[in-house]
Amino acid sequence: EPEVTQTPSHQVTQMGQEVILRCVPISNHLYFYWYRQILGQKVEFLVSFYNNEISEKSEIFDDQFSVERPDGSNFTLKIRSTKLEDSAMYFCASSELTGGNYGYTFGSGTRLTVV
Amino acid sequence: QKEVEQDPGPLSVPEGAIVSLNCTYSNSAFQYFMWYRQYSRKGPELLMYTYSSGNKEDGRFTAQVDKSSKYISLFIRDSQPSDSATYLCAMKAGNTPLVFGKGTRLSVIA
Repeated sequence: EPEVTQTPSHQVTQMGQEVILRCVPISNHLYFYWYRQILGQKVEFLVSFYNNEISEKSEIFDDQFSVERPDGSNFTLKIRSTKLEDSAMYFCASSELTGGNYGYTFGSGTRLTVV
Repeated sequence: QKEVEQDPGPLSVPEGAIVSLNCTYSNSAFQYFMWYRQYSRKGPELLMYTYSSGNKEDGRFTAQVDKSSKYISLFIRDSQPSDSATYLCAMKAGNTPLVFGKGTRLSVIA
């Protein structure tokens, strides 16, 4: 079964450092998403991406965050200057369409720990 | 009022029990309703999706949506220890992003 692949599975970084989280969405999917889940809290939307541009972003997705699809397969989330409160699980997801009864397929996540 | 409310549990049931999981929501524009299962330190896995009101059955799982009450349910029949996980309701309106509930942690005891 097709899956969304995320790397690394765990990233430890020092406060103020830049991190890049990587995702390979399902190949025929057109819409890509980043969500995050702080320990014990709900899964929260960060950003959606379609046709090489951001289609929607939440208030969490401030100027410290950026997304990119550098080639035909990878989808990345960059955090420029990490803060302690950025520690969370970050999930990438993709879907064939954004409307209709299509669920999102999620990756296994990257656990980001900012120290 | 939070957009999606879900009792976090934990919920503990004996093997073979019928489990009922529920969410309420406030946004009447939501049309697509989903249930995800999440094992510890893993990504959410899609279990069921439903469009608008009604029931949908898939094996031991039944999803119900009552849009008039803004209430959705997931029933698990003949629950198994392997069903032990966190169950997340999620919903969306048209082209808007998926919005999640906080999740209910379920333990099925053998």
